Amino acid sequence: DSGVTQTPKHLITATGQRVTLRCSPRSGDLSVYWYQQSLDQGLQFLIQYYNGEERAKGNILERFSAQQFPDLHSELNLSSLELGDSALYFCASSVASTTTDTQYFGPGTRLTVL
Amino acid sequence: QKEVEQDPGPLSVPEGAIVSLNCTYSNSAFQYFMWYRQYSRKGPELLMYTYSSGNKEDGRFTAQVDKSSKYISLFIRDSQPSDSATYLCAMMRGARTSGTYKYIFGTGTRLKVLA
Repeated sequence: DSGVTQTPKHLITATGQRVTLRCSPRSGDLSVYWYQQSLDQGLQFLIQYYNGEERAKGNILERFSAQQFPDLHSELNLSSLELGDSALYFCASSVASTTTDTQYFGPGTRLTVL
Repeated sequence: QKEVEQDPGPLSVPEGAIVSLNCTYSNSAFQYFMWYRQYSRKGPELLMYTYSSGNKEDGRFTAQVDKSSKYISLFIRDSQPSDSATYLCAMMRGARTSGTYKYIFGTGTRLKVLA
């Protein structure tokens, strides 16, 4: 158990809908990262937040957005969902934001878009 | 061409064998190289982290980076059935503190160690 929690575990929704994924980092970790893992694209970095502020962006679509709250939990919002958004979404956390930080991954949220 | 290439496997080996997992990359700007292990239905966990060329050893695991060939390897000695998992290489360039970094993962190699 990494100490990172993600809810829900599974989510099934329809195209065009909007969903929110939630992540609680390990106690003491200030950085939160979001990743998408699909069979065809593999694991892709989406976005990083550090202490409430966006720190870096990866391959995040404009339909997706994230935020980190004062209590350091984070939410990833996915809107206008398409079939291709079906994937495992992982959250990871690390203590700070330096290059050598180890990221601890949560168990993931499996999103199915029908 | 993908920035990072990794053979998806599956790779099946007998228990006790030495396993060699590899990734190649195309962008010479990558500076940090990582190997993650991912068990089925779990999130990835960091195994090894190296900076620049050279070898790094941690127990049964050795990570090797050859920047001149743009090639990284993970060796697992005395492989065990519990090592059966998907192994992902990952590379980073840029500075994470400035937000300008890029983090790229390989697609992962499925390893099965047979008892």
